[in-house]
Amino acid sequence: DVKVTQSSRYLVKRTGEKVFLECVQDMDHENMFWYRQDPGLGLRLIYFSYDVKMKEKGDIPEGYSVSREKKERFSLILESASTNQTSMYLCASSYPGTVHDGELFFGEGSRLTVL
Amino acid sequence: DQQVKQNSPSLSVQEGRISILNCDYTNSMFDYFLWYKKYPAEGPTFLISISSIKDKNEDGRFTVFLNKSAKHLSLHIVPSQPGDSAVYFCAAMIQGAQKLVFGQGTRLTINP
Repeated sequence: DVKVTQSSRYLVKRTGEKVFLECVQDMDHENMFWYRQDPGLGLRLIYFSYDVKMKEKGDIPEGYSVSREKKERFSLILESASTNQTSMYLCASSYPGTVHDGELFFGEGSRLTVL
Repeated sequence: DQQVKQNSPSLSVQEGRISILNCDYTNSMFDYFLWYKKYPAEGPTFLISISSIKDKNEDGRFTVFLNKSAKHLSLHIVPSQPGDSAVYFCAAMIQGAQKLVFGQGTRLTINP
């Protein structure tokens, strides 16, 4: 079974702090994604990566950056956390060209609260 | 601008009856559509998909219908079971692009 592991399930940070959210997948997937989930807004794409050291902006990249130094690991960075970044963050991975195109495998999520 | 919309935030259905979840999209370039299911404290999981060359796809109790002219798709669950209680997300993409656009989600509650 594909496993996508997010390092922290719950985090509480203060405004202005630097926050790292880590994600690791164990199926050699090339594609990795970071989404945030908010009530009434669904899942919105922050950043994604097609390969090591490659990244592309999603729909809401402002205030975020990412790092992909190894194929299995994709990190989301909040350089200076703000209260409007309080959310559920979901990491996902996929292998291009599968039978189920677009089938993402999600981690369990990291709930971040910024005070 | 919400390109994929699920206008019903919640739906309550009696066990054994049919559940119908709806989804509308605005981008005519989308050619592949998926439904995901999410339980509390878990990540979403893939449920079923449909290509724009089809108008129906079935998988057991789950059927997805696509009406391209109306830019509308629906998920039918028959018969509904208590374990189907979850949040359902509709998603759309341009095939090959690997980038999904999700709707807001619909919380389905199946009542015994």
